[in-house]
Amino acid sequence: DGGITQSPKYLFRKEGQNVTLSCEQNLNHDAMYWYRQDPGQGLRLIYYSQIVNDFQKGDIAEGYSVSREKKESFPLTVTSAQKNPTAFYLCASSADRGNSPLHFGNGTRLTVT
Amino acid sequence: AQSVAQPEDQVNVAEGNPLTVKCTYSVSGNPYLFWYVQYPNRGLQFLLKYITGDNLVKGSYGFEAEFNKSQTSFHLKKPSALVSDSALYFCAVRNKAAGNKLTFGGGTRVLVKP
Repeated sequence: DGGITQSPKYLFRKEGQNVTLSCEQNLNHDAMYWYRQDPGQGLRLIYYSQIVNDFQKGDIAEGYSVSREKKESFPLTVTSAQKNPTAFYLCASSADRGNSPLHFGNGTRLTVT
Repeated sequence: AQSVAQPEDQVNVAEGNPLTVKCTYSVSGNPYLFWYVQYPNRGLQFLLKYITGDNLVKGSYGFEAEFNKSQTSFHLKKPSALVSDSALYFCAVRNKAAGNKLTFGGGTRVLVKP
């Protein structure tokens, strides 16, 4: 089945540690996205990539980094510079950045203590 | 800047009754509008979209939405709600003038009571 796989589902880290969230898609989509979801705030865009080896900052990129070395993969690193990293992180992909809907993974819940 | 407003944090409805989830938007130019649904601890699932053409759009699971340009609204509707429709619903807008960035509303929680 085609889809987006995020791993792990739950992740726990100590403050000050970097952590990388995995996102893999087999939909052959060009565009990929990372969103952060906090209670009552909807989804906020962290980074997006329209093509391999290219990515752009979203609305809340500070404290995060990404790479897009392969079409299928778009990992997100939450660095120690991110002040409030505890959140639900969602990866998505779409065939293009026009009228195609986004397909979402099932998310990674990150807890930093 | 484009924006999406979902004025109700929560909507309560009895099973079998009509369900409406409100959404208004603000963009420069013509919008692409989307509705998504999210179940607990899951990603968002696409329900329907409006791109152009007929103002009434039909989507998955019996949902539909009506695009109203003069009121800049895109309300989600279902004629007869099911308990299994209880979830978090998001409206989103995309617009070429904003670089095709997708902006989400804050979400509306729907609770369908038996």
